[in-house]
This record gives sequence, structure tokens and C-alpha cells, in this order.
Amino acid sequence: DAKTTQPPSMDCAEGRAANLPCNHSTISGNEYVYWYRQIHSQGPQYIIHGLKNNETNEMASLIITEDRKSSTLILPHATLRDTAVYYCIVRAPNDYKLSFGAGTTVTVRA
Amino acid sequence: DAGVTQSPTHLIKTRGQQVTLRCSPKSGHDTVSWYQQALGQGPQFIFQYYEEEERQRGNFPDRFSGHQFPNYSSELNVNALLLGDSALYLCASSLPTVKNIQYFGAGTRLSVL
Repeated sequence: DAKTTQPPSMDCAEGRAANLPCNHSTISGNEYVYWYRQIHSQGPQYIIHGLKNNETNEMASLIITEDRKSSTLILPHATLRDTAVYYCIVRAPNDYKLSFGAGTTVTVRA
Repeated sequence: DAGVTQSPTHLIKTRGQQVTLRCSPKSGHDTVSWYQQALGQGPQFIFQYYEEEERQRGNFPDRFSGHQFPNYSSELNVNALLLGDSALYLCASSLPTVKNIQYFGAGTRLSVL
């Protein structure tokens, strides 16, 4: 019952910015957007989350459109270690679960 | 600061058996969630424990049960194992805040033969 749509895969050159899109056209006003990634054979890793405003941390930036129907995760300088499946998740405050979809498989190439 | 730890890392069982998986949350966290991840798919929510009670449950049969101890660690029990229960079982811990940022362990790989 994922509420998001992501491209199944994308490639990125090492050292370049990686822009990962996510559509969440049915998002409600109180729902947050979360991004996680899962490197092969590891558990998912939290990257960033936001509600309305753009957010930045040491890992990435999150750009949310004004109508909140889509967002973009930006990895500013992709490295080979950023190769992973990236999940965009929408969650309401009173819903404790994270609903993972299929995610985007990102391959960073040298 | 130890993160989320799970044991065992790998487990092989046969159909009909029972299994118990264990999880220790990240230091300072008091909420534990369990997920099942089949090969090639995203994790699926099983349930979440807070204050030793199951707070929310996903779409899993009663064969899946859990427990949270006073030290916040948790167990996942699966009875009458089926071949389809073969998966990576992930534990995540968090604080009971609106942000609900969940931190995951490396998982337990369960194979049912």
C-alpha cells in the first residue's frame, strides 16, 4: 500500500550530483516524506525527512515541491558507496509503520 | 554507541518448526518495530512494540508474535514455519516522537527448508 512512485533504476557518475525523484500525489497535509536507502546485505539506513520545507543534512538534501505532490532527494557528490536501493516513504504522524515500496536502484559508476 | 543489534545473523529451520529472533535497540530508544523483507522486495511491517505492548500490527497472521522486555529489547516468534517465511527479518528502533525516525539492524536471514 505504498503511496509513492519512484523510477525502478537510475545510473549516476561518480562525483556528480544524483537527483532521485519521487511522486506522492495523494499526500495529506500532515504526512511526512522520508528517504531511506539500503545497501546490499544491510538494513535500511535513514537519510532525511521533511514536511513542507526543503531540508539538508550531512548526507543529502530534500526538495519538496510547493504543492507537496513530489519531492527530490539530492546526493550532492555521489560516490561508489552510494550505490543502493533508495526508498521514498510517506507517513502520517499517527501511523507508526514505514511502508516501503520497490524503491529506486541507484548505481554509481566510476 | 551500539546501534541496533540482531541475533542470530543466519538461521535454517524446517517447515512446521518454531523460531525466535532477538533484537536489542539503539541506546536510548524504547520502541521496536519488526519488518519482513522477501528477496527482491521492500521491507514489510510486521508490528511495533512500545511500553511492552504491541502498538500497531501489519497484515501478518497470528503465527507471528512478539514480545518486548523491560529493558526494551524484543523478540519475534514465528510458529508453524512455512517455506514462504524465508526472508530477511529486520528490527528497527526509535523514540516515540512524531518524527518516528527508525534505525535498522542488519537483520536475521531465515531460511525455511
